[in-house]
Amino acid sequence: AQKVTQAQTEISVVEKEDVTLDCVYETRDTTYYLFWYKQPPSGELVFLIRRNSFDEQNEISGRYSWNFQKSTSSFNFTITASQVVDSAVYFCALSENGGETSGSRLTFGEGTQLTVNP
Amino acid sequence: DGGITQSPKYLFRKEGQNVTLSCEQNLNHDAMYWYRQDPGQGLRLIYYSQIVNDFQKGDIAEGYSVSREKKESFPLTVTSAQKNPTAFYLCASSIGAGTVTQYFGPGTRLTVL
Repeated sequence: AQKVTQAQTEISVVEKEDVTLDCVYETRDTTYYLFWYKQPPSGELVFLIRRNSFDEQNEISGRYSWNFQKSTSSFNFTITASQVVDSAVYFCALSENGGETSGSRLTFGEGTQLTVNP
Repeated sequence: DGGITQSPKYLFRKEGQNVTLSCEQNLNHDAMYWYRQDPGQGLRLIYYSQIVNDFQKGDIAEGYSVSREKKESFPLTVTSAQKNPTAFYLCASSIGAGTVTQYFGPGTRLTVL
C-alpha cells in the first residue's frame, strides 16, 4: 500500500525566512509520480509540481525548490525568503503509474500548515 | 475561462436527507474525481471516473453515489447512509486516466445539521 507522511503538522516562520516542508513516501511501484499542492484559506488545491520516479533532478521555480531523493524516499519542498502570501496548507501526494487503462489515484499526506508572520 | 466549478460553495442539509454536489469542467478532461477532506487531514478518494458512463469506487465510497452521463459533469450524491457527511468535498479532473496531474475545483463545504 502507498503511504505519504508529512511529519510537520504546523510550521510558523517570520517573513523572509527560508522554510523546508518534509515529505516521505512509501510505495512498491517502480514507476510513480510525486506532487506538491498548495491549499490557501479559500480551499482550492493549487498544483505546484509533479515529479516522476526516474527524474531525480532538483527543480527550482522562483522562490520554490524541490529536492527529490529516491534513496531516502523523500521529496522535500523549500520556500526561500518566505512571504505572508505563502501561508497555506501544503500537501505532498503520490500517484501510482496506472497506465492508460486505470485511474491515476493520488495518495495524500495529511498536510503541513505553514504560517508566515510579517 | 477554462476550469472546474463546484456549486454551491456552502451547503446545509438536515440529517437523513440526500444531497447532490455539482462538479463541472470545461477543460475537455476525460477523468474526474471526488475527494473528501476532514479538518486537519489529507484528502481521501471517494469515486473516480475515467470515461463517460464508467466510474470506480475509491477508498471511502460507502454512503456516496455518482454518475457520469456527460464528459463535463460528475455529480456526487451524499446519501443518508453516509454516517458522518459533514466535510469539505473537492472535485478534480485530469486529461486522461494515464495522465496523472489532477486539477481541483474550489470545493463545497457540506454541513449536516
